[in-house]
Amino acid sequence: SQKIEQNSEALNIQEGKTATLTCNYTNYSPAYLQWYRQDPGRGPVFLLLIRENEKEKRKERLKVTFDTTLKQSLFHITASQPADSATYLCAVGGATNKLIFGTGTLLAVQP
Amino acid sequence: GAGVSQSPSNKVTEKGKDVELRCDPISGHTALYWYRQRLGQGLEFLIYFQGNSAPDKSGLPSDRFSAERTGESVSTLTIQRTQQEDSAVYLCASSPRVSLETQYFGPGTRLLVL
Repeated sequence: SQKIEQNSEALNIQEGKTATLTCNYTNYSPAYLQWYRQDPGRGPVFLLLIRENEKEKRKERLKVTFDTTLKQSLFHITASQPADSATYLCAVGGATNKLIFGTGTLLAVQP
Repeated sequence: GAGVSQSPSNKVTEKGKDVELRCDPISGHTALYWYRQRLGQGLEFLIYFQGNSAPDKSGLPSDRFSAERTGESVSTLTIQRTQQEDSAVYLCASSPRVSLETQYFGPGTRLLVL
């Protein structure tokens, strides 16, 4: 069955460092991959979308890579800030626009 | 403009009761999705409405779950004869026709079945 895997352990980093989160998928060939941010008690908020024919996409301090051979996406936050602390969800989608979500990785940025 | 809204924000019910959850999507959004998120877990797809097409109900976990949508506006998710394992956050999302891949989520309804 289709499976999206993200680091289940929390990622703790110091303010100013680059945070790197990993998303791996199996038994699926997505047309696109998305990253969402979720704060406690709130719904996910869309951050970035990268398509299967794109290797990298950037938005301000965020960078996403998509390796369809490795079936992996990396999500980077440069110059991290305590306000970046949240759970980050990876999701893959295709022609039906139904998204399959990973369980998320909790990022904690220490001041 | 207003985002996706959901009501109630919290619902406590007794096992065996029926519950109805409401979602108001962003005005003009043609697609609407329902997800379930259990504590510490990812989002589990339940159902997808897109315009006038037949809904994709492939994620509904049992026949106790049903959902309706009136045109391209409000949607209700109904859970009949609730069970304790139905306790979760139920999230609704909507997407505009021009960007169906991007989903805008509501704050969710936290359901607790005692």
